[in-house]
Amino acid sequence: AQKVTQAQTEISVVEKEDVTLDCVYETRDTTYYLFWYKQPPSGELVFLIRRNSFDEQNEISGRYSWNFQKSTSSFNFTITASQVVDSAVYFCALSGGAGNNRKLIWGLGTSLAVNP
Amino acid sequence: KAGVTQTPRYLIKTRGQQVTLSCSPISGHRSVSWYQQTPGQGLQFLFEYFSETQRNKGNFPGRFSGRQFSNSRSEMNVSTLELGDSALYLCASSPGGGENQPQHFGDGTRLSIL
Repeated sequence: AQKVTQAQTEISVVEKEDVTLDCVYETRDTTYYLFWYKQPPSGELVFLIRRNSFDEQNEISGRYSWNFQKSTSSFNFTITASQVVDSAVYFCALSGGAGNNRKLIWGLGTSLAVNP
Repeated sequence: KAGVTQTPRYLIKTRGQQVTLSCSPISGHRSVSWYQQTPGQGLQFLFEYFSETQRNKGNFPGRFSGRQFSNSRSEMNVSTLELGDSALYLCASSPGGGENQPQHFGDGTRLSIL
């Protein structure tokens, strides 16, 4: 069975601090995809990144970076120099390569509060 | 390009009633997925439609059903509503096809059951 665990329920930081959101996944598929989404207070889920299981390169996009490690089944997300606008719930999600495994399996989310 | 549009935004129903939610995907997107979001269970996959056919299904009772039209618009129906059906229902669209492309979400319909 597929599963995504986001152990941190809530994180509170002060503006300009760096923060890392953890994501650990379980799957038996050899081909799978990992995603991060952001849900601001307005409610709409915003896509941040997709990674496939064959690409372990870390990725950086501005203040955001992602560390994918198959050896530990983790796909962690770091925000550098956090800002108040980063306050949101962040979800990690997993989908398999084919068939019914293509549905997204979600972690329960990490609520990030960035305080001025 | 217009995003995913869900209507209505808010809905209040009573137990035993039925409800229909609507989703218009991004133009050109052929895959539409539905999710239920609750504080206790988080985001749970309901079903996915692609080219008017249900392609994937989650673990929800038969009271939850959906369909997709030839223009890719989708509707979700819940019959015999229960208190536990109170949730935010999210629709997402993607181009479809073979790869697991990112899904783009609407603002959701918040359903409250009294």
